[in-house]
Amino acid sequence: AQTVTQSQPEMSVQEAETVTLSCTYDTSESNYYLFWYKQPPSRQMILVIRQEAYKQQNATENRFSVNFQKAAKSFSLKISDSQLGDTAMYFCAFMKHESGGSNYKLTFGKGTLLTVNP
Amino acid sequence: EAGVVQSPRYKIIEKKQPVAFWCNPISGHNTLYWYLQNLGQGPELLIRYENEEAVDDSQLPKDRFSAERLKGVDSTLKIQPAELGDSAVYLCASSPGGGRSSGANVLTFGAGSRLTVL
Repeated sequence: AQTVTQSQPEMSVQEAETVTLSCTYDTSESNYYLFWYKQPPSRQMILVIRQEAYKQQNATENRFSVNFQKAAKSFSLKISDSQLGDTAMYFCAFMKHESGGSNYKLTFGKGTLLTVNP
Repeated sequence: EAGVVQSPRYKIIEKKQPVAFWCNPISGHNTLYWYLQNLGQGPELLIRYENEEAVDDSQLPKDRFSAERLKGVDSTLKIQPAELGDSAVYLCASSPGGGRSSGANVLTFGAGSRLTVL
């Protein structure tokens, strides 16, 4: 079974600064997907960024980027130029890749509560 | 596009009472998920549907929980009878599924149904 660990229950950052959220995972699979989801206080989970394990290039989405270290099983999220609207719970998640593409079970970490201070 | 719609958003019931949650996924999404999210935790999968078939219900407590997805579109999750420990947020999500396109495994979540059992 896969496990996802987020070791930082809470973090805070000043507006406009950069913050990095940590995530490690444990799997014996060689091909999989990793995700960061954001859950603001309204509770709707929103996809932030997705990484395919077979791609060595780190994914980026505007101010959000990841540092994917496959050998270390590490998948951290960097948020640049933090904004007040980035305040949310951030979840790291793992999805095993199945040939034929039929298994889409997402396993989540416990989350990191990020607060952006003005 | 309306996104994933869930109702009710909030429900308060006495223990031993029944409760039902409804989910309407994004149009055309074959895969539908119900997740349970306890306070301060990451979501945990209860059941996953591919069209109208429940393909993963191993985490669903079948003595009191049931789910259905008639016609492969809307889904209902029922608890009968509810217990104090069932107080949580019940999240519905959907994904295109069905293949190897780049977005096939991206889950879109609804806003959730928060259950309080007294």
